[in-house]
Amino acid sequence: QITLKESGPTLVKPTQTLTLTCTFSGFSLNTNGVGVGWIRQPPGKALDWLALIYWDGDKRYRPSLKSRLSITKDTSKNQVVLTMTNMEFVDTATYYCAVRYFSTLLDYWGPGTLVTVSS
Amino acid sequence: QSVLPQPPSASGTPGQRVTISCSGSSSNIGSKTVNWYQHLPGTAPKLLIYSNNQRPSGVPDRFSGSKSGTSASLAISGLQSEDEADYYCAAWDDSLNGPVFGGGTKLTVL
Repeated sequence: QITLKESGPTLVKPTQTLTLTCTFSGFSLNTNGVGVGWIRQPPGKALDWLALIYWDGDKRYRPSLKSRLSITKDTSKNQVVLTMTNMEFVDTATYYCAVRYFSTLLDYWGPGTLVTVSS
Repeated sequence: QSVLPQPPSASGTPGQRVTISCSGSSSNIGSKTVNWYQHLPGTAPKLLIYSNNQRPSGVPDRFSGSKSGTSASLAISGLQSEDEADYYCAAWDDSLNGPVFGGGTKLTVL
């Protein structure tokens, strides 16, 4: 059974750096073709893809946020970490991690974690 | 294209068939496969359809997907009250070099 769960702060201040951890089970990020991504959903708005890291270390970032994002993996801990610098009020959103396991996109998702940016 | 247009809402009565559309372009739906997700607020989005029309194990055959050109559709037949949720399409986008999602359709079962 594949599960993912996001963890991190629920409240950050403007200009701070957000660090979110995705802890997963039921698959290995060493397996050919597997990737883990981060997606966010501001309140009342659509889902936006943020970053993706593949089994071979290849990383992709949303172009408009590339300068603020970093995604890393720790296969020994079954974790993927997303950092986003210089947080702004508009970054308030529910952040999800998800795995590309058998389709060409994202198959299994975590329940999400709400991050609020407020001073 | 940062968001794939979907109708914001759809509705139907129990037993009816409803369809939800998703529009794209040549850089996403026109050249890539489409996934559909069901999302209940506060829970993990669930994969309903992948590769345009394939159902993962456990997804009822009441759910079906199709794609034509730069558009895709999700059909739900035999509508049930538990189908009330938000539905999102998604496809890889060559311009974004990552997944692009639909704006979401809120399905109400009357």
